Amino acid sequence: EPEVTQTPSHQVTQMGQEVILRCVPISNHLYFYWYRQILGQKVEFLVSFYNNEISEKSEIFDDQFSVERPDGSNFTLKIRSTKLEDSAMYFCAGSLEGYEQYFGPGTRLTVT
Amino acid sequence: AQSVSQHNHHVILSEAASLELGCNYSYGGTVNLFWYVQYPGQHLQLLLKYFSGDPLVKGIKGFEAEFIKSKFSFNLRKPSVQWSDTAEYFCAVKKDGGSQGNLIFGKGTKLSVKP
Repeated sequence: EPEVTQTPSHQVTQMGQEVILRCVPISNHLYFYWYRQILGQKVEFLVSFYNNEISEKSEIFDDQFSVERPDGSNFTLKIRSTKLEDSAMYFCAGSLEGYEQYFGPGTRLTVT
Repeated sequence: AQSVSQHNHHVILSEAASLELGCNYSYGGTVNLFWYVQYPGQHLQLLLKYFSGDPLVKGIKGFEAEFIKSKFSFNLRKPSVQWSDTAEYFCAVKKDGGSQGNLIFGKGTKLSVKP
């Protein structure tokens, strides 16, 4: 069964550094999402992406964040200048028709 | 703002006990409802979903959930749990019922099943 993959599984970075989190969605999916979960809190929506553009974003997704689907297979989340409060588990998800979403295993980002 | 509440933070059951996990949401319009499960060390997996029709939906591994519109609830049930059901369970809502739209998650309920 096809799966969503994410790399790296754990990323440690210093405050102020840029990070890029990578996701490879299921190949025939058309809708893509990033969520995050700060330790002990809810899974929160960051951004959705369809037809090569952002379709919706949350208040969390400020100018420090960007997403890209550079080559038709990868879907990346970039944080330009990380802050301590960006430490969280970041989940990528994809969907064929925008209804059921299939999640990757997550990337744990630790900002020191 | 829309929200999803899961009232139980941690539930501990013995094998063969019945399970009911509560989920309530606050949104008056059309919704799609989901339960996801996260086994230790694994990713979120879809357990079951409700879009329309029969409010009693059956999912994988013997789970079911009932949508009660008047109570804004979508409780998850299983008549007899197994040790392998030990996991964290997340209720999620997608508003509007359309193809776009993000999921709004509850905080999750950790289920521990004692053998």
